[in-house]
Amino acid sequence: EDKVVQSPLSLVVHEGDTVTLNCSYEVTNFRSLLWYKQEKKAPTFLFMLTSSGIEKKSGRLSSILDKKELFSILNITATQTGDSAVYLCAVRGSGSRLTFGEGTQLTVNP
Amino acid sequence: SQTIHQWPATLVQPVGSPLSLECTVEGTSNPNLYWYRQAAGRGLQLLFYSVGIGQISSEVPQNLSASRPQDRQFILSSKKLLLSDSGFYLCAWSEDRPYEQYFGPGTRLTVT
Repeated sequence: EDKVVQSPLSLVVHEGDTVTLNCSYEVTNFRSLLWYKQEKKAPTFLFMLTSSGIEKKSGRLSSILDKKELFSILNITATQTGDSAVYLCAVRGSGSRLTFGEGTQLTVNP
Repeated sequence: SQTIHQWPATLVQPVGSPLSLECTVEGTSNPNLYWYRQAAGRGLQLLFYSVGIGQISSEVPQNLSASRPQDRQFILSSKKLLLSDSGFYLCAWSEDRPYEQYFGPGTRLTVT
C-alpha cells in the first residue's frame, strides 16, 4: 500500500522566516510527487516532480525530489501571512490515483 | 480553459436521509474524475475514481456510491447517511498525462 508521511504536522513562524516542509513516501512504481496548497477551500496545485535533483521554483516557493532517499522538500522563503495554509504532498504510482499525506499546517504570524 | 463545478457548497442532512452531490467539468473531454473526503481539514481520502463513462473504481467500502452518467459528470450518492459521513467532499479531474489533479470548490456536509 502506498504511503506518504509529512512533517512537521504544524508549524508557526513569523513573517520573513524561511520554512522547509518535508514529505517522505513509499510507493510502488513511482511516477510523480505533487505539492498542493490548501486554504479554507479546495487544494490548489503547486508543483509536480518526477526527476531527482531538479528544483521546481515559483516565486518564493521551491521544491526538490530525492528518489533515492524517497523524499521531497518544499521551501518557502520570506514567508508572508498569505502563505498560511495546509500544504499537502501526494504521490502517484501506476495509474492515475494519488495518495495524499496528512498535510502540514503552516501559520505565518505578522 | 478547464473549469470544475461542485454543488451544493454546504449541506446539512439528518442521519438516514439520502445524499446526492454533483460534479461537472468543462473544457476537456474524457477526463479522469475523482471523489475525495477530507476530515478535520487534513489528508484527503480517495473514495472513488473513474476513467470513463460508467467505469467506477471504489477505494473504500462504505455506504456511499458513485456514478458517471455523462463524460464530464460525476455524482456521489448515499441511500442513508451516517454521522460518520460528515466531512468536506472534493471532486477532482485530471487528464491522462501528466495526471495533475485539479480540484473543485468542495461540499461541506454535516450529518446531524
